[in-house]
Amino acid sequence: EADIYQTPRYLVIGTGKKITLECSQTMGHDKMYWYQQDPGMELHLIHYSYGVNSTEKGDLSSESTVSRIRTEHFPLTLESARPSHTSQYLCASSEYTYEQYFGPGTRLTVT
Amino acid sequence: LAKTTQPISMDSYEGQEVNITCSHNNIATNDYITWYQQFPSQGPRFIIQGYKTKVTNEVASLFIPADRKSSTLSLPRVSLSDTAVYYCLVAGQNFVFGPGTRLSVLP
Repeated sequence: EADIYQTPRYLVIGTGKKITLECSQTMGHDKMYWYQQDPGMELHLIHYSYGVNSTEKGDLSSESTVSRIRTEHFPLTLESARPSHTSQYLCASSEYTYEQYFGPGTRLTVT
Repeated sequence: LAKTTQPISMDSYEGQEVNITCSHNNIATNDYITWYQQFPSQGPRFIIQGYKTKVTNEVASLFIPADRKSSTLSLPRVSLSDTAVYYCLVAGQNFVFGPGTRLSVLP
C-alpha cells in the first residue's frame, strides 16, 4: 500500500491569505506531482518534480509554486489565495510516470 | 503529447462485464498505458498497466491492440462498489490523464 500523505485534508481560508499544502511520501520516489481537480471534473497537472531541486510547471497554468528540498516532501504554496483557487489538490508520487500513487487530497475553499 | 479520449459515462448492471475504451492516437513508442479508479473525495487508485497485448490481474484485464492507438479496460462481473470514475493514463517521457469515464453500476 502506498504511503503518501497530504495535510490539511480540508481548508477554508479567506481571500489574500498565504497557504501551504503539505505532501509527504515514504516510498523514496524521485517523481512527485500536484494535480488540481474540480468536483466531477478531470485531473489537471499543475506541477511536477523528478527529483530534489527539480520542479516544472504542468499543463494547467497555476499561480501556485512548489519546492523540492527533500525527496520525501513536495509542498505547494499559494502566496495570496483567491476564490478562483477553490478546488481539490491531489499530490502523487511514483518511480515511473505511469504508476502514480495518490494522496487523499486537500479540499481548499477560499472565501 | 498523446491526447486521450474516453466515453463520458457508462451504465451497467451488477454481475455484467464492463469494457471501457480509451483512444490515444498519438501514443509514443516509449509510452505505457495505465488505468486508475477514483471514488468521490479520494485520490485515484492504480488498477492495471500494460504496454501491448493483454494484461490481467486480480481485478481487471487490459487489452491493447498491435497499433496501440487504443486500450480497453475490462472489469469482470461488476458490483455496486465498482461505481466510480475510471481514467486512462498514457505515460512515458510525458504523461496525460484521460477525461475519465463515470461508470454507474445498477442493482
